Amino acid sequence: DAKTTQPPSMDCAEGRAANLPCNHSTISGNEYVYWYRQIHSQGPQYIIHGLKNNETNEMASLIITEDRKSSTLILPHATLRDTAVYYCIVRVDLGYSTLTFGKGTMLLVSP
Amino acid sequence: EPEVTQTPSHQVTQMGQEVILRCVPISNHLYFYWYRQILGQKVEFLVSFYNNEISEKSEIFDDQFSVERPDGSNFTLKIRSTKLEDSAMYFCASSGGQGNSPLHFGNGTRLTVT
Repeated sequence: DAKTTQPPSMDCAEGRAANLPCNHSTISGNEYVYWYRQIHSQGPQYIIHGLKNNETNEMASLIITEDRKSSTLILPHATLRDTAVYYCIVRVDLGYSTLTFGKGTMLLVSP
Repeated sequence: EPEVTQTPSHQVTQMGQEVILRCVPISNHLYFYWYRQILGQKVEFLVSFYNNEISEKSEIFDDQFSVERPDGSNFTLKIRSTKLEDSAMYFCASSGGQGNSPLHFGNGTRLTVT
């Protein structure tokens, strides 16, 4: 079973920041936090990942709490095309380790 | 940007028939994966593959399933005798192999078993 807890759904207005929370209170020291999204049954799309420091790339920012028990994915200016299911996944730091998907958060971006 | 490609995008087959789903992973990646997603359900891990052998497999990946890397570029999933319940989206993924190298997924093959 997934080791993360996410709200089932969230709404966001177009152009505003979307802040998606995730709890991973049982995360181990060698586990990274990964975020993926899935747009309408397409393949899961990698967004960002981190261990303990905050991370930013062209798609999003990842804020991880100091105790690493929770994190927030931030889409700074959400667009309609960001409507998707967002998955927060913890993954062991091994080359062959897999991803275990939960139900994720359905983010609906509205005009 | 390099991507994982899967063919065909949609496959229809009759129950009991064999199907082969094909994937071309990202060229310098070392680890390969198959996942599936039954309509309306979670994305489920099937199998991971490294150095020409299975690294890990789930309970779903029974004797009806097999994987192969027949050449330097393709990675295939074979279902020997399809069942109605095999109808799903099948996603291939690959990763570079370093511990924190993310998996990159293809857009899937929709398998319909009639």
